[in-house]
This record gives sequence, structure tokens and C-alpha cells, in this order.
Amino acid sequence: DTEVTQTPKHLVMGMTNKKSLKCEQHMGHRAMYWYKQKAKKPPELMFVYSYEKLSINESVPSRFSPECPNSSLLNLHLHALQPEDSALYLCASSQEAGFSGNTIYFGEGSWLTVV
Amino acid sequence: DAKTTQPNSMESNEEEPVHLPCNHSTISGTDYIHWYRQLPSQGPEYVIHGLTSNVNNRMASLAIAEDRKSSTLILHRATLRDAAVYYCILRLGSGSARQLTFGSGTQLTVLP
Repeated sequence: DTEVTQTPKHLVMGMTNKKSLKCEQHMGHRAMYWYKQKAKKPPELMFVYSYEKLSINESVPSRFSPECPNSSLLNLHLHALQPEDSALYLCASSQEAGFSGNTIYFGEGSWLTVV
Repeated sequence: DAKTTQPNSMESNEEEPVHLPCNHSTISGTDYIHWYRQLPSQGPEYVIHGLTSNVNNRMASLAIAEDRKSSTLILHRATLRDAAVYYCILRLGSGSARQLTFGSGTQLTVLP
């Protein structure tokens, strides 16, 4: 099973709402990632978790708050977003964060629209 | 940062081989070369990766130049389902920036 599952697939939220994106993997991977992808652009790294601890934050605004409750789950809490935050949010995982020869597995993404 | 250069777009006929080039002249000795592809409205999908030697798997082959400054992804028989954006990515072998950093990729169009 090489699957990363993301929910919901689509989310529409107002600028004052609080919502969360969820990600789950059961491959025993110890590294999990959030990427953001705008239309017709490549994915951009947001956060990296290694062994359930945040190891990289690519200067992401605080209205995005990641959480890793356990080694299989990764959440992205959203609050007071702006319309320009509308994008595809991709979750990914790999065995380790520090070995550059590891394969990274991506989920299908959550399409977020902020109105 | 080690960077890659790929053509913006390429076309291929169905059932013919496709060679997707990638230049990475600033690659370091421990950097891995990864290829991912992204079909429309889907997350990126792992294709293949290598360090020094050529690599084969069920999806594709990766040919790495002897000096490692370039590589080529080979799809042996293109199908319509192979139409996607193909990303050649250097995953750095050392330092904190070992993460997958995507460039602009090559849009592959497969013609029936």
C-alpha cells in the first residue's frame, strides 16, 4: 500500500472561517510534508515533519498551522485565509526526511477555494 | 542551490519512445536525480530516481551522463496516459535543504 489519503478533496471557506485539511498514510513513514500548488505552477514546499516534529517551515504565514498528532496523521489548520491562498494543497510522505534517495509519495491533494 | 533545466514542452506520437532531457550542471556528488510526473488534477507521481548508474523500472528508464551534469528520462512506448508535466529534481545529498524542490518541468503532449 503506497497511498497517501487526503480529505476533503474540495473545500470552500470564507475568510473568517476555521477549517482543517487532513492527511493519512499507513506506510510507516516518519517524514510528512505539506506542499502548496497554484494553477499552472510547480508545487512549493510549506512544511516538513520528521518523527512527528516540525523540522522545516518555509516561512509560511501563521494563518496556516500544521499539526502531526501521530506518525500516520498530518493536519493543516486554516484560519483567516485570503483569497490568494486558494490553491491545491498536497500532502506527501517518505521513510525519512534526511535521506535524499528516498521516494516521496504524494496524495491527490485538497482543492481549497477561499471566498 | 543545485538547479535543473528542462524544455518547457515536448510532443511525442503514441507508441513511440520519448526522451525527456534534463541539465543539472551544478550537481554535487551526493545529489540524487529524481523524476516525478503530474497528470492533470492529480498529485505528483514518482517515476524514477538514480545517483550515478542508469536505472530501469516498470515505468521508465533513467540515463545519467558519465559526468552527471545531465540525465534523460526515457518512456519506451508513450501512451495517451503519459501526457503530463514531468519534473526533473535534484534532491540535495547534504545540508538542511534535502527536500524535493520542483522546477517548472516539461509538459509532454502525446499525439494519437
